[in-house]
Amino acid sequence: DAGVTQSPTHLIKTRGQQVTLRCSPKSGHDTVSWYQQALGQGPQFIFQYYEEEERQRGNFPDRFSGHQFPNYSSELNVNALLLGDSALYLCASSLDGGTGRGRGYTFGSGTRLTVV
Amino acid sequence: ILNVEQSPQSLHVQEGDSTNFTCSFPSSNFYALHWYRWETAKSPEALFVMTLNGDEKKKGRISATLNTKEGYSYLYIKGSQPEDSATYLCALVTTDSWGKLQFGAGTQVVVTP
Repeated sequence: DAGVTQSPTHLIKTRGQQVTLRCSPKSGHDTVSWYQQALGQGPQFIFQYYEEEERQRGNFPDRFSGHQFPNYSSELNVNALLLGDSALYLCASSLDGGTGRGRGYTFGSGTRLTVV
Repeated sequence: ILNVEQSPQSLHVQEGDSTNFTCSFPSSNFYALHWYRWETAKSPEALFVMTLNGDEKKKGRISATLNTKEGYSYLYIKGSQPEDSATYLCALVTTDSWGKLQFGAGTQVVVTP
């Protein structure tokens, strides 16, 4: 049973460009969350999608947007990239309606984004 | 802004020794506390989701306790093995941020043979 799949694994972009990261949740999971992990910090919550809608959002600017498709897969889009957007982006899926009280979230291995 | 703090930041353990480390969090609006193990070049793996004050959970040689009144959780590793080397992350869920994991910075554990 495949877990969470993220693509691409690594990406290099130029400041000002736009990027799209993709996530396929674990089979049977309906909720997808995105996290950003900068060096030396814990992952920071970006947003969560359930039933194709953004349910919650963290303290990230509007340059960060997302989408969830009917098959529960999700995309994270970042516009007007800044050097500070360089980080590991993690996708997590769950089957608890995203309540955080289930069996824990299943994470992907992440996409390493480098902005130059 | 919630502060979930983990200590120590890192620790080195001899194979066979037991160890423990702490996750501290604000006790108000508590909903759940998650623990994850994150090995290098892999995905974070859920260890425990704890919801009740006094909860104790165990998975093999790893166990965790929870005190929601004073705002802390301990993770214990008994008889550490090299495969226990990883970063251990705790994450808080509050009643006003349902489903949003608020992570600490992690405790990096290195087990040497």
